[in-house]
Amino acid sequence: AQSVTQLDSQVPVFEEAPVELRCNYSSSVSVYLFWYVQYPNQGLQLLLKYLSGSTLVKGINGFEAEFNKSQTSFHLRKPSVHISDTAEYFCAVNPSYNTDKLIFGTGTRLQVFP
Amino acid sequence: DTAVSQTPKYLVTQMGNDKSIKCEQNLGHDTMYWYKQDSKKFLKIMFSYNNKELIINETVPNRFSPKSPDKAHLNLHINSLELGDSAVYFCASSQGASGGYEQYFGPGTRLTVT
Repeated sequence: AQSVTQLDSQVPVFEEAPVELRCNYSSSVSVYLFWYVQYPNQGLQLLLKYLSGSTLVKGINGFEAEFNKSQTSFHLRKPSVHISDTAEYFCAVNPSYNTDKLIFGTGTRLQVFP
Repeated sequence: DTAVSQTPKYLVTQMGNDKSIKCEQNLGHDTMYWYKQDSKKFLKIMFSYNNKELIINETVPNRFSPKSPDKAHLNLHINSLELGDSAVYFCASSQGASGGYEQYFGPGTRLTVT
């Protein structure tokens, strides 16, 4: 069975600093990988996704993620964060052989301080 | 234009009651979902419908019954509400039922059972 681990439940960072949110997954088959963001009191919004091809994926709001098959990781990065990036970030996997079922990690709360 | 809408946004009710949450999407998508987000922000899929047909039914008590009158609507009816049903429920939709499609989420319905 597939699972997703987000090692950090909270990541505090100062504005304009770089940030990395970690995500590891376990799967014996190929997967599709996603990062979603949830701003306070809102639904989830897609940041970026990896389906195939280049392992470095660029998303919205200056975020990017790198797929590392050997380490089964899909870490999210941003070189310089803003106050407005404060939100909950979810990594998710979708077994490529299966239908549309998304399995989410437990989320990482990114708190950006001025 | 709201892509995925849910009503109501907040729902406070007593144990034992029956309640419904409505969801509508105007994106022309074929697939719709219900997710439950608990107090620790953990997101878990409950149901998925493709073209009004149930394709994912996770281990959810049969007090929960989804109904899809047409492709644009997926409602969630809950019988005999329990304290543990308190959560935020998200509706989502996607273009297709195979993996890799972005899911678009509604704003959520916060259900509080007292």
